[in-house]
Amino acid sequence: GAGVSQSPSNKVTEKGKDVELRCDPISGHTALYWYRQSLGQGLEFLIYFQGNSAPDKSGLPSDRFSAERTGGSVSTLTIQRTQQEDSAVYLCASSLAGTSGGTDTQYFGPGTRLTVL
Amino acid sequence: SQQGEEDPQALSIQEGENATMNCSYKTSINNLQWYRQNSGRGLVHLILIRSNEREKHSGRLRVTLDTSKKSSSLLITASRAADTASYFCATDWRPGNTGKLIFGQGTTLQVKP
Repeated sequence: GAGVSQSPSNKVTEKGKDVELRCDPISGHTALYWYRQSLGQGLEFLIYFQGNSAPDKSGLPSDRFSAERTGGSVSTLTIQRTQQEDSAVYLCASSLAGTSGGTDTQYFGPGTRLTVL
Repeated sequence: SQQGEEDPQALSIQEGENATMNCSYKTSINNLQWYRQNSGRGLVHLILIRSNEREKHSGRLRVTLDTSKKSSSLLITASRAADTASYFCATDWRPGNTGKLIFGQGTTLQVKP
């Protein structure tokens, strides 16, 4: 079956431009997560969607970052007025329920490598 | 920060040897998971250990959990070149009962053929 997919796989943009990153979760998964991983670092939580609940945006680093999830499926992470420090791999993951006290396995997409020149 | 720490940051061993990676965390947890990442891309789930378990096995993997020390270890026995990857521990986000996970910084393992 299809896993989590992300597009584009690579994105090079100029400082100040807006970018949109897309995530298609596994069908039927109600929870969706965005993470950011800088070179050689661990994963930094950004935002979390669970069903129809309001998203947990506590990890977004600034108001230039936003995300939406339409129809409980596809999600788009938008970064406005990109800065060089936004360069990283952006990873999306989905899980079945997202409410099991950390027992859900998260299934990750291949990531989008963003380079801001 | 609630984020965990892993050590060593990097580990290089010969094929056939065992590899041990450690993870420490800061808050009480329900569960701890280990993930593997190849070439800086998507992560793959390896194993989950619950807070009331002390040891768990899956193939060549052995995970231990010591909640009194807030630490876990991942042992890979009889390592292979294909085990070369980064390994991350992840704990559930407390307080609250959600699916959010906190990831450690990872251990980069190189297995030389």
